[in-house]
Amino acid sequence: ETGVTQSPTHLIKTRGQQVTLRCSSQSGHNTVSWYQQALGQGPQFIFQYYREEENGRGNFPPRFSGLQFPNYSSELNVNALELDDSALYLCASSSGTSGITGELFFGEGSRLTVL
Amino acid sequence: AQTVTQSQPEMSVQEAETVTLSCTYDTSESDYYLFWYKQPPSRQMILVIRQEAYKQQNATENRFSVNFQKAAKSFSLKISDSQLGDAAMYFCAYRRNSGGSNYKLTFGKGTLLTVNP
Repeated sequence: ETGVTQSPTHLIKTRGQQVTLRCSSQSGHNTVSWYQQALGQGPQFIFQYYREEENGRGNFPPRFSGLQFPNYSSELNVNALELDDSALYLCASSSGTSGITGELFFGEGSRLTVL
Repeated sequence: AQTVTQSQPEMSVQEAETVTLSCTYDTSESDYYLFWYKQPPSRQMILVIRQEAYKQQNATENRFSVNFQKAAKSFSLKISDSQLGDAAMYFCAYRRNSGGSNYKLTFGKGTLLTVNP
C-alpha cells in the first residue's frame, strides 16, 4: 500500500511568483486536504477536496486554490506569493471509512520558502 | 469557532518514565472527535490516539492513554515507559462530527517532547 507522497520536498520562490505543490493520495482514498504549517505552529486547514470538488475551506484568500484529479491526486496552487506564505504544506488523504473515524494519513510535506 | 490550546510548548522526560501532555479545547458542539498526532523530525504526522466525545471511557493504545474530561473540555495524553523514539512534536486536534464528508482538523500549536536517555 503506497502512502501519501508530496512533491517537491523543498522549494524556494520569490515574492510575487506562483507555486504548484502536488500530492498523491494513499491508495483507495478519495478525499484530500491541505494544511499550512508555519514554523513553530500547528497545521492550519486550507481546503479539502472530495471526489474532485472542494467541500470545505479554511480562512485562506482566493489566491490559494486547488484541484483534485480523477485518480484523486491533488494540487495546491498559490499565486502572488507573500513572505508569510513560507511554511510547510501538508497534504492528507482519507477514505470514507478512515475519514469518519478521523484518521488522516499525512505526507511528509513540501517546505516552501518565499524570499 | 473551535480552538485548541496546548499550554506546554516543551516537555522533557527521562527514558522509561511517564509524561503527561495537556490540551484544552473550546467548542459549542456536543459530538466531536479529539486526536493526538505525533510529528517526528521526518515531518510526517502520525495518529497516536483518538477519542470520540460520546464515549465516556478513555482511549488507550499500548503505552499511550488519554484523560478525557468533557465538561472541563480537557484532553491530556499520558505516555508511559517513555522511549527515545517518542521524541517528537505532539499536536492535539479537534474535529466536529458533522456527519458529512468534511474532515477538517483544528490543531493546537504543539508540544515538543524530549526524551532523555
